Amino acid sequence: GQQLNQSPQSMFIQEGEDVSMNCTSSSIFNTWLWYKQDPGEGPVLLIALYKAGELTSNGRLTAQFGITRKDSFLNISASIPSDVGIYFCAGQSRGGSNSGYALNFGKGTSLLVTP
Amino acid sequence: DADVTQTPRNRITKTGKRIMLECSQTKGHDRMYWYRQDPGLGLRLIYYSFDVKDINKGEISDGYSVSRQAQAKFSLSLESAIPNQTALYFCATSDSRLTETQYFGPGTRLLVL
Repeated sequence: GQQLNQSPQSMFIQEGEDVSMNCTSSSIFNTWLWYKQDPGEGPVLLIALYKAGELTSNGRLTAQFGITRKDSFLNISASIPSDVGIYFCAGQSRGGSNSGYALNFGKGTSLLVTP
Repeated sequence: DADVTQTPRNRITKTGKRIMLECSQTKGHDRMYWYRQDPGLGLRLIYYSFDVKDINKGEISDGYSVSRQAQAKFSLSLESAIPNQTALYFCATSDSRLTETQYFGPGTRLLVL
């Protein structure tokens, strides 16, 4: 699969702080997705991005699809304790190999929020 | 009730044993996937199926096999389990009309001794 570099690997912040994480790829993607995984659960989709340059918000979350189509970032504003979890970026490219519709995941950003 | 269910949720087995992990979905999706999650490595695709008669290898299919018995069921088998297959396994589904949105099950934690 295509390699995604997600950073930072982990973050330890105080409640109320803003958070920023990003993903870069060596290849172009048609779609960028951001998932959150709570302990003991499967990943849950937060935001989906379909066009280069697209900026999308979901409550306190904002994500952007990079102009080069090789990167994306996720921002969380005014963090709260329930934001704790692992955040994954995922990219998808269409066409080419049979796995074109499967997702390529980053290695995750582990977020800890202290009250 | 959960839309994507996995059984068992936890399993301990010994090297060389054959085991099967089950996934069922009530979402009516046509596409199903099996992923493996290891600490620090994110999720990696094992197998995927676009329909009952369609099976495709993913990034790390060696040592695994799958069966799509019905549109709602997709099982993953380890014919002869080995310790480095200890991991968290996730099933996911998607609708071909919106392929990007994959919905994940709660996961199966497997320990191979």
